[in-house]
Amino acid sequence: DGGITQSPKYLFRKEGQNVTLSCEQNLNHDAMYWYRQDPGQGLRLIYYSQIVNDFQKGDIAEGYSVSREKKESFPLTVTSAQKNPTAFYLCASSIPGPVNQPQHFGDGTRLSIL
Amino acid sequence: AQKITQTQPGMFVQEKEAVTLDCTYDTSDPSYGLFWYKQPSSGEMIFLIYQGSYDQQNATEGRYSLNFQKARKSANLVISASQLGDSAMYFCAMREGTLGSNYQLIWGAGTKLIIKP
Repeated sequence: DGGITQSPKYLFRKEGQNVTLSCEQNLNHDAMYWYRQDPGQGLRLIYYSQIVNDFQKGDIAEGYSVSREKKESFPLTVTSAQKNPTAFYLCASSIPGPVNQPQHFGDGTRLSIL
Repeated sequence: AQKITQTQPGMFVQEKEAVTLDCTYDTSDPSYGLFWYKQPSSGEMIFLIYQGSYDQQNATEGRYSLNFQKARKSANLVISASQLGDSAMYFCAMREGTLGSNYQLIWGAGTKLIIKP
């Protein structure tokens, strides 16, 4: 079955540490996205990528970095510069182009500070 | 300015009753799409239903239907015969086809729906 796999499901970060969240998709989608969700809130866009080797900042990119070396993979690194990283992180992918294409999501990663 | 507004932070509904979740939007783009997603407590985001700005009929998917009133810029989700498993957060989102940047979705703040047995 095609889908999006996020790992790990739970992640703990120590002060001053960078951590990387994995996102892999086998839907053959060109576009991929990272969102942050705080408790009781909606989704905020961190980064997105429309094509391999290209990505753009979203609304809250500070303290995060991404890479897109392969179509299937879009890892997110939460750097030590992100002072409040505790949140739920969702990765999504979609077919770019037609407006009727939904984004498909992984199951998310919950990140907490130790 | 808010582009997607969901005015109901939370709702309680009796099992088997129908429920309407409100969503209003704001855009000057003639081409846009509206999406509803369900997020259970486990966290995954599940796509439910889509309505395009040029669609002549309201979208339906099983027990989900969309009450699309273009002139009022509203796209309310209707869930018929609610079930306990419908308890979740529900998000409305919009994608602008011409003016929108890079296929991004614009998200509402969500409505928490609780179905009472």
